[in-house]
Amino acid sequence: QSVLTQPPSLSGAPGQRVTISCTGSSSNIGADYDVHWYQHLPGTAPKLLIFGNSNRPSGVPDRFSGSKSATSASLAISGLQAEDEADYYCQSYDNSLNGYVFGAGTKVTVL
Amino acid sequence: EVQMVESGGGLVQPGGSLRLSCAVSGFTFNTYAMSWVRQAPGKGLEWVSIIGASTTNTYYADSVKGRFTISRDNSRNTLYLQMNSLRAEDTAIYYCAKKYSGSYHFDFWGRGTLVTVS
Repeated sequence: QSVLTQPPSLSGAPGQRVTISCTGSSSNIGADYDVHWYQHLPGTAPKLLIFGNSNRPSGVPDRFSGSKSATSASLAISGLQAEDEADYYCQSYDNSLNGYVFGAGTKVTVL
Repeated sequence: EVQMVESGGGLVQPGGSLRLSCAVSGFTFNTYAMSWVRQAPGKGLEWVSIIGASTTNTYYADSVKGRFTISRDNSRNTLYLQMNSLRAEDTAIYYCAKKYSGSYHFDFWGRGTLVTVS
């Protein structure tokens, strides 16, 4: 199983807000490594959505926001839109594994 | 515009070898660390390996250590992954990704190449 724990799926109606959690441990998120989030549609290149816990790259709508606390992080999508239907992955670094770690991904469905 | 195009995937028998390539354009390739990340069918993303900008530093996930070798040719703006002793569990889409300097994240990714071990 993945080092970072995410819910397998979430759903929401258009316009609603959904929040994806990402739980780690003392060797990754709790060791003060930043959390980053990616959006991935099958057959496409994963896209960086949030870096450094809460920063958005240029071009990412401000409907996407990230936060981090202790050994966990979260990604919030407000004003959910049909185009937000995708898989979302959190990612950090783990000093016990000496490598990059991902969550198993959360599939967001827009009802 | 950053472009990253993977190639070299295909069907290979268990125990076989394959070499993946990632051709890059749109940024100064020789100043950034580069990585391979894979996604097995129905599974999430899994980091595989990373190489520093100057090629001297390489790191691997335990699942591929001793079997895979990452390398790069900065004169050709190309990243490679030599995969030996392939196993069924190595079946995945392999993505190359550019590491953002000074942080442990990847800011650009390719669309991937499919490796099937069967």
